[in-house]
Amino acid sequence: QVQLQESGPGLVKPSQTLSLTCTVTTGSITSGDYHWSWIRQPAGKALEWIGHVYTSGSTKYNPSLESRVAISIDTSKNQFSLKLFSVTAADTAVYFCARDRRAAAGMSWFDPWGQGTLVTVSS
Amino acid sequence: NFMLTQPHSVSESPGKTVTISCTGINGNVADNYVQWYQKRPGSGPTTVIYDDYQRPSGVPDRFSGSIDRSSNSASLSISGLKTEDEADYFCQSYESNNVVFGGGTKLTVL
Repeated sequence: QVQLQESGPGLVKPSQTLSLTCTVTTGSITSGDYHWSWIRQPAGKALEWIGHVYTSGSTKYNPSLESRVAISIDTSKNQFSLKLFSVTAADTAVYFCARDRRAAAGMSWFDPWGQGTLVTVSS
Repeated sequence: NFMLTQPHSVSESPGKTVTISCTGINGNVADNYVQWYQKRPGSGPTTVIYDDYQRPSGVPDRFSGSIDRSSNSASLSISGLKTEDEADYFCQSYESNNVVFGGGTKLTVL
């Protein structure tokens, strides 16, 4: 049973870079034809897909965030990472990592998810 | 852009049946599969329905999903409500360049 765990700073200053890592704690990140995603939820708001990375390193991003996002993968560490540049208070949210079981077919279904980590943008 | 809207909250008594809707805007809900996730405080979301009406193993058959083309909506029904069903429920679908989530519905079982 694949399990995911997010890690990273809980507080980031405005204009700086938010950096998070997701570790696949059981199972291999290269096993199966999956894409590895980041999703966030600001308090009281809807979930928002940020983007995903494939084991080859290819990426796809939400058009609304594409100019500020970079997602990468390190298969040797069983990890993938998120960088969000030039953050503002609007980027304060709980950030989740998740496995997309069908991104290759364009029919996204996220399962499983990490438990999420709160990142606050404040000076 | 395609969007999904959900009621902000619903409540029902234990043992009853509740239905949560997920209505499409600027697109047809029936064109792409809909997933439903359950999220409890402090935990990541888990799938209760995928591909409109399929249940993952381990999800009780009290949970069911459907699509109504006439109202352009997907629905999640939970029968025989238990207090443990109290959670937030999100619908999710996709379009060509993006993934779409509904705003979430808080289910209270009282």
